[in-house]
Amino acid sequence: DAEITQSPRHKITETGRQVTLACHQTWNHNNMFWYRQDLGHGLRLIHYSYGVQDTNKGEVSDGYSVSRSNTEDLPLTLESAASSQTSVYFCASSSRQGEAFFGQGTRLTVV
Amino acid sequence: EDKVVQSPLSLVVHEGDTVTLNCSYEVTNFRSLLWYKQEKKAPTFLFMLTSSGIEKKSGRLSSILDKKELSSILNITATQTGDSAIYLCAVPRNSGTYKYIFGTGTRLKVLA
Repeated sequence: DAEITQSPRHKITETGRQVTLACHQTWNHNNMFWYRQDLGHGLRLIHYSYGVQDTNKGEVSDGYSVSRSNTEDLPLTLESAASSQTSVYFCASSSRQGEAFFGQGTRLTVV
Repeated sequence: EDKVVQSPLSLVVHEGDTVTLNCSYEVTNFRSLLWYKQEKKAPTFLFMLTSSGIEKKSGRLSSILDKKELSSILNITATQTGDSAIYLCAVPRNSGTYKYIFGTGTRLKVLA
């Protein structure tokens, strides 16, 4: 069965460190997204990609970057982790029809 | 500005009750509305409603889109403890077909 997997599931890092969260999907979807979920804010879009070599900023992109070198993967990098980036991060992918499928999430704590 | 508002924020019911969750939206050039169920982990897809598909049903869950009122409802009949979750709705932003804006969700707790 097709799926979308994130790693790691949990991560603790120190302020100022660079962190990369992995996302891999086997749906063969062109569209991939990164969201963060915080209490009171719901899911907010960080970055998204509509295909290989395409990346775009979402509504909360400061301090984050992504790259898309193939269809399956969209890694999310925190350039210099800050405590405000402590959150649960979800990767998602969608077909042209629009329904998005989510990974299991990565809980990131920045200390 | 694109906006999605869900109500109520939380709800506690007993098994067997019927619940109705609301989602209202403000977005230019409406295309679709999606409902998700989120338990402890990832949101899982429930329904997609569009102008050509304004009513969906799956078992005890059903959803209706009211384009005139810019809203949707999610009904759950004969609730079970396994229905306890956060229910999210989302619509694509005007600025991008696949860029979804999510509501903050309705937290449903079903008591045995």
